[in-house]
Amino acid sequence: SSELTQDPAVSVALGQTVRITCRGDSLRIYYASWYQQKPGQAPVVVISGKNNRPSGIPDRFSGSISGNTASLTITGAQAEDEADYYCNSRDSSGHHLVFGTGTKVTVL
Amino acid sequence: QLQLQESGSGLVKPSQTLSLTCAVSGGSISSGGYSWSWIRQPPGKGLEWIGYIYHSGDTYYNPSLRGRVTISLDRSKNQFSLKLSSVTAADTAVYYCANYGDGAFDFWGQGTLVTVSS
Repeated sequence: SSELTQDPAVSVALGQTVRITCRGDSLRIYYASWYQQKPGQAPVVVISGKNNRPSGIPDRFSGSISGNTASLTITGAQAEDEADYYCNSRDSSGHHLVFGTGTKVTVL
Repeated sequence: QLQLQESGSGLVKPSQTLSLTCAVSGGSISSGGYSWSWIRQPPGKGLEWIGYIYHSGDTYYNPSLRGRVTISLDRSKNQFSLKLSSVTAADTAVYYCANYGDGAFDFWGQGTLVTVSS
């Protein structure tokens, strides 16, 4: 399968922890990368590889993988973390890329 | 630090060909280890990978675009381009260019809205 499935929306209280999941068969083979997108802006990578944070991304963002499910965890969510989050990985052929369906995170 | 900038027509008629260019600065598109991608996002919807081209010129496209897409490099201008033929209203979207290296889209353009309408 070339699909990556995410929950459409999650909410989290300010300062609490939220986990966003991404499910797909190809995740058993390839790592996912995660992107944060705020309204009217281009996406920004927050996690890549096993659990790599680019420079400038707060350490409250972390990634993990278990079986066919990749997860992005925000520990101590802040108001500025409210955004859409997308996972991305290769499909099972390894040649094509695919984005997850996206998760809207609301910080209460 | 790479910078990418999309340009091209913002309005395309149905059945015609959409053409966009991505100018790259701060690095060479001929450098190994990277591929150069196009991604789009219809209004209010999610991201869709369109395809990418390696520095070697090898290309890979989203199978769902059924042969309508072509991505090419212009090494003399350090830019790469997208052509999408036989467009319909469903191709209306913000189109982003981005580089892909080490498993992630590290740098993105700001995006350009292309509307398909007569």
